[in-house]
Amino acid sequence: DAKTTQPTSMDCAEGRAANLPCNHSTISGNEYVYWYRQIHSQGPQYIIHGLKNNETNEMASLIITEDRKSSTLILPHATLRDTAVYYCIVSSGNTGKLIFGQGTTLQVKP
Amino acid sequence: DAGVTQSPTHLIKTRGQQVTLRCSPISGHKSVSWYQQVLGQGPQFIFQYYEKEERGRGNFPDRFSARQFPNYSSELNVNALLLGDSALYLCASSLGTSGGQETQYFGPGTRLLVL
Repeated sequence: DAKTTQPTSMDCAEGRAANLPCNHSTISGNEYVYWYRQIHSQGPQYIIHGLKNNETNEMASLIITEDRKSSTLILPHATLRDTAVYYCIVSSGNTGKLIFGQGTTLQVKP
Repeated sequence: DAGVTQSPTHLIKTRGQQVTLRCSPISGHKSVSWYQQVLGQGPQFIFQYYEKEERGRGNFPDRFSARQFPNYSSELNVNALLLGDSALYLCASSLGTSGGQETQYFGPGTRLLVL
């Protein structure tokens, strides 16, 4: 499975959009991009995933570049409850194995 | 609808002991995966089970074992506990039908402390 690179930490003002980047330059054609988040000491929460098209759900939007080498998770109106560690994961799913990196710690500030 | 449930929520053991952690998947999900998360790091994959068969295994010693039952619930066993086994143990379930791309949903975890 391909590796991902994320910034260690980011800040965002409450009510503003949070844009979290992820680099996955070695992604293969059958690998999806998944985003999870983990609020302190809880289990990771699934946010969204995509293959090559942009995706949107009630939580977030996922923008994947045309060459699929990077993506951005967008939380349109961040709240204090969005403060968490956000993980970008690339997975083909064939082995059921998700490889978590260090993730991005997003701090939403009032 | 109930999500993934895990028991117990917290556990304290001493070195050399054995521990069993339990997981019940989301109703209708047939695949269960186990992860270990030590403090300050991301979760690490231990096992995946589907239809009672091991489908994948991470880089963990043989002290770690798991099984899946006919009702798709699962147990993770760790023998001869070491201090380094102290971690949050996470269970995730997925449909398990496609054999490929599936979303995994995580439970709240069991926090194990080895003294």
